[in-house]
Amino acid sequence: LAKTTQPISMDSYEGQEVNITCSHNNIATNDYITWYQQFPSQGPRFIIQGYKTKVTNEVASLFIPADRKSSTLSLPRVSLSDTAVYYCLVGNDYKLSFGAGTTVTVRA
Amino acid sequence: EAGVVQSPRYKIIEKKQPVAFWCNPISGHNTLYWYRQNLGQGPELLIRYENEEAVDDSQLPKDRFSAERLKGVDSTLKIQPAELGDSAVYLCASSPRQGAYNEQFFGPGTRLTVL
Repeated sequence: LAKTTQPISMDSYEGQEVNITCSHNNIATNDYITWYQQFPSQGPRFIIQGYKTKVTNEVASLFIPADRKSSTLSLPRVSLSDTAVYYCLVGNDYKLSFGAGTTVTVRA
Repeated sequence: EAGVVQSPRYKIIEKKQPVAFWCNPISGHNTLYWYRQNLGQGPELLIRYENEEAVDDSQLPKDRFSAERLKGVDSTLKIQPAELGDSAVYLCASSPRQGAYNEQFFGPGTRLTVL
């Protein structure tokens, strides 16, 4: 299972774009990249998933370079309610694991 | 649509006591997961079910932990006897599709405190 490395914490301000990069050098060809968000006292919530290139949905974008050894979650125009822990996961049909996550704090 | 339901939300017990957690997944979700989350860490998978079958229980401490999903719907996770180090949040998640990487829907968790 590929090990993921992401920053422990990031600070931002309302209205800014937040980019969280996750390193996964040992990603396998059958692995997908998934990001979850977790608020205090709640279970994680799925944000976005991708295999390669760029994926965009209504809340975020995921950028994956051709070598797939890293990925970047982009949160456009964050608000105070985006303060949470963000987890990068790399896994496949058989295995998936959460790392320690990145605590994103959005300030007014 | 109702989400994943877990009970109880909080449980305080003394060490060596047994404890059980219950999870009802989203209707129609055949895949069910139990995770343990320690303070400041990401969730750690304990067991994954596809219908009634435990397809991945490699991280379940089988000397004291057990789980069941008898009819392929709701599930129970048990600890007997509990130890101080078992204090954590126990999360249940479900997914409509097989495969560990598919989108998982999490419940609110049960916070266990072992004294």
